[in-house]
Amino acid sequence: GAVVSQHPSWVICKSGTSVKIECRSLDFQATTMFWYRQFPKQSLMLMATSNEGSKATYEQGVEKDKFLINHASLTLSTLTVTSAHPEDSSFYICSARDDRARNSPLHFGNGTRLTVT
Amino acid sequence: GESVGLHLPTLSVQEGDNSIINCAYSNSASDYFIWYKQESGKGPQFIIDIRSNMDKRQGQRVTVLLNKTVKHLSLQIAATQPGDSAVYFCAERGNTGGFKTIFGAGTRLFVKA
Repeated sequence: GAVVSQHPSWVICKSGTSVKIECRSLDFQATTMFWYRQFPKQSLMLMATSNEGSKATYEQGVEKDKFLINHASLTLSTLTVTSAHPEDSSFYICSARDDRARNSPLHFGNGTRLTVT
Repeated sequence: GESVGLHLPTLSVQEGDNSIINCAYSNSASDYFIWYKQESGKGPQFIIDIRSNMDKRQGQRVTVLLNKTVKHLSLQIAATQPGDSAVYFCAERGNTGGFKTIFGAGTRLFVKA
């Protein structure tokens, strides 16, 4: 089955530093990937759509300069949380759409738990 | 029974009983609906999907019902097992706007042995 690998699975960083999260589609190509954020006991909130070869599209209220997205290849998207603050602590989850099956459901990574101290 | 907590509604069922999880979706233009299961500390896992030209779809032990008139989805799990304990999310997707998948509020299912 289609596998999405997310790395790291957890990270602790100090306030003011930046953290990069990687999302890879292991056995399929994904022109489009999506980044979600999930706070405890809440649903997944879409942050942005990552597009290979073009700029990411951010949802309303998501700061593009704070959450930098780079879709470097058809199998890799990265999310960088810049100048992280404690309120950025959350569970970040990526998902990818298989280019061969655009009408199929998204494949999700296992998330990255970010804790900013 | 079903109750509403501070964030996620909770459904508690006895092992072997059937579970019904409900969801109201928001966008009448959505034409594709998915149910996901999320276990603690993991990403969502696909369970079953349904397109807007259908009102019912069955999988293994699971059935999804779609009522477009009232924008309502339900997930039925037959013979619920302890391994079914998780948070269940419905999600919707339209065919415009980048095909974004938007998640509903979620329901926590507890299965009592």
